[in-house]
Amino acid sequence: QKEVEQNSGPLSVPEGAIASLNCTYSDRGSQSFFWYRQYSGKSPELIMSIYSNGDKEDGRFTAQLNKASQYVSLLIRDSQPSDSATYLCAVRNNTGKLIFGQGTTLQVKP
Amino acid sequence: NAGVTQTPKFRILKIGQSMTLQCAQDMNHNYMYWYRQDPGMGLKLIYYSVGAGITDKGEVPNGYNVSRSTTEDFPLRLELAAPSQTSVYFCASSSTGFEQFFGPGTRLTVL
Repeated sequence: QKEVEQNSGPLSVPEGAIASLNCTYSDRGSQSFFWYRQYSGKSPELIMSIYSNGDKEDGRFTAQLNKASQYVSLLIRDSQPSDSATYLCAVRNNTGKLIFGQGTTLQVKP
Repeated sequence: NAGVTQTPKFRILKIGQSMTLQCAQDMNHNYMYWYRQDPGMGLKLIYYSVGAGITDKGEVPNGYNVSRSTTEDFPLRLELAAPSQTSVYFCASSSTGFEQFFGPGTRLTVL
């Protein structure tokens, strides 16, 4: 079992829809979770961090964390073509290192 | 602030050659990291540092070396380059060890 798992996609949504990106992790002791956006040929850019169970909203982005289910998700409301990118889930494990999933490619179609 | 800078942007090496990838940050961050990213994959941690003079291995350290003589700089040394080291290399820094901020990357090809 991989430490951090994401569906590689691509996930295709129409413009204006809600995109839902999911991530599961294996280390039950993990406490810190991050979502990065990576455009093709560019470096990862931090868009959300979440540390507590529940929802955290920032503009059109909502991160959701359920530690009991070892599940973290990212919702993007009113998806725009500019949101088309690969979204990387990262989990800080009990040794303090970030473990990345392989990423989910999101395509937002006009 | 320039943030995290990396040089070079691109490099082609022959098998057996050596090189140093440069990374610098101007945010006075104590934590610095080197990752590699292979096509369609997430990032794998190569080495990291929690402050000047302190470095430690990550998940995939074989074939690489690092040093951290100043807070600002964290160079990554490749000795005896191999085709398996063809990848994109990202340097990152953090003030807290939690949220990490990435440089633009170096695309390395070993032929």
